[in-house]
Amino acid sequence: QVQLQESGPGLVKPSQILSLSCTVSGGSISSGNYYWNWIRQPAGKGLEWIGRMYSSGSTNYNPSLKSRVTISVDTSKNQFSLNLSSVTAADTAVYYCARGDWNYAGDLWFDPWGQGTLVTVSS
Amino acid sequence: QSVLTQPPSASGTPGQRVTISCSGSSSNIGSNAVNWYQQLPGTAPKLLIYSNNQRPSGVPDRFSGSKSGTSASLAISGLQSDDEADYYCAAWDDSLNGREVFGTGTKVTVL
Repeated sequence: QVQLQESGPGLVKPSQILSLSCTVSGGSISSGNYYWNWIRQPAGKGLEWIGRMYSSGSTNYNPSLKSRVTISVDTSKNQFSLNLSSVTAADTAVYYCARGDWNYAGDLWFDPWGQGTLVTVSS
Repeated sequence: QSVLTQPPSASGTPGQRVTISCSGSSSNIGSNAVNWYQQLPGTAPKLLIYSNNQRPSGVPDRFSGSKSGTSASLAISGLQSDDEADYYCAAWDDSLNGREVFGTGTKVTVL
């Protein structure tokens, strides 16, 4: 059974780069046709999709964050990563990684999710 | 930021049926499948319904999903105390070069 686990600094200073990793266990990140996603949730608020990387290496980002986001993969570590630049207090949130699955009808869904990691942007 | 609209809250007594609506547009629900996620207090979201009405293995058949036009619904029958959680709908949106969009979320309370 595939499991995902986020890791990274819990505190980032304003204007700096937020960097998180998601380690995949129970399966290879490079096998199967999956999307690897980042999603965030500010405290007490709803979910916001950040972006995804397909197993081929192609990426899609939320247009609202596209200029600041990079998602990459390290197959040797079975990890994928998120870099979010020029952060402000508005980027404070719980960050989740999630595997994206799909069917031949083109339907997409997220399963499973990591447990999430809180990142606070503050000086 | 949320593009899909849900009622902020819903409630029922144990055993009752509760329905949650999710309203979107032609670029998201009208064109793509809807998924539902359950977020228990203090935990990560969990897939509850995918492809409009499909249940992953392990999800009780008390949970069901449907879609019509630019709206979708999640129904919980035989409400249990363990169902008290936040529920989010989600769909791919074809506008702005494509992005996943989530609903505003509905807090279900078991009275």
